[in-house]
Amino acid sequence: EAQVTQNPRYLITVTGKKLTVTCSQNMNHEYMSWYRQDPGLGLRQIYYSMNVEVTDKGDVPEGYKVSRKEKRNFPLILESPSPNQTSLYFCASSFSGGNYEQYFGPGTRLTVT
Amino acid sequence: KQEVTQIPAALSVPEGENLVLNCSFTDSAIYNLQWFRQDPGKGLTSLLLIQSSQREQTSGRLNASLDKSSGRSTLYIAASQPGDSATYLCAFNTGRRALTFGSGTRLQVQP
Repeated sequence: EAQVTQNPRYLITVTGKKLTVTCSQNMNHEYMSWYRQDPGLGLRQIYYSMNVEVTDKGDVPEGYKVSRKEKRNFPLILESPSPNQTSLYFCASSFSGGNYEQYFGPGTRLTVT
Repeated sequence: KQEVTQIPAALSVPEGENLVLNCSFTDSAIYNLQWFRQDPGKGLTSLLLIQSSQREQTSGRLNASLDKSSGRSTLYIAASQPGDSATYLCAFNTGRRALTFGSGTRLQVQP
C-alpha cells in the first residue's frame, strides 16, 4: 500500500530534550516536506526537500532541523524542544514539487512541557 | 502572498442534502489546488487535485471546481452521509514549494 508513515504518533517530552520524528514514504517520491498544524494558524511548512541531500527552509523553520540522506526518509529533528513547539506535525510527499498531488502522513502529536 | 479563505467555517446539515464548500484565494498564479479531508486527530486525506489548466474534477459524490479569474474554488458534495463529517481543507500550490492552506470548513452531517 502506497503510504507516508510517521513515528511516533504521540510524544510527550520535556523542554530541551532532543527528539527526532521519523517520516518514510514508499512511493519513490522525490519531494518531501514537514508541516505543523496549530489552532487558528492552520498548516504551515517547516522544511522541504526536493531530493536526496537537497533541503530548504519553509515558512517556520526556527528550532527545527532536517536531513535527507535517503530518498524514502525525511526525519524532523528538534535539538532543544520548547513548549511553543507543541503542535501536530505532518510529513508529506509527492512525485516532485509543484504540479503533483501531495500525500500526507497520519500526523505526530507532540507535547513539550 | 497567497491568502486562502474558506467559508463557512462550520456547517451542519441533515443527511441526504447536497452541499457546497467555498474556498477563495488572492493570487491567481497557481499551479494546482487540492481538497483534503481531515478527521479529528487524524491525517489529511487527499480528495481531489485540480491543475491550473482544468476547470473541475470529479470523484464519486465529490466535484471540485476552479475559477482562477474570480479566485474561487468550490467542493460540491452530493447526497451527504454521516460518514462525510470531517474538516475539509483547500490548499493551493503557487510554485513556492509549499501548499498554502485555508483554515478549513468543519462539516457535520446529521443522521
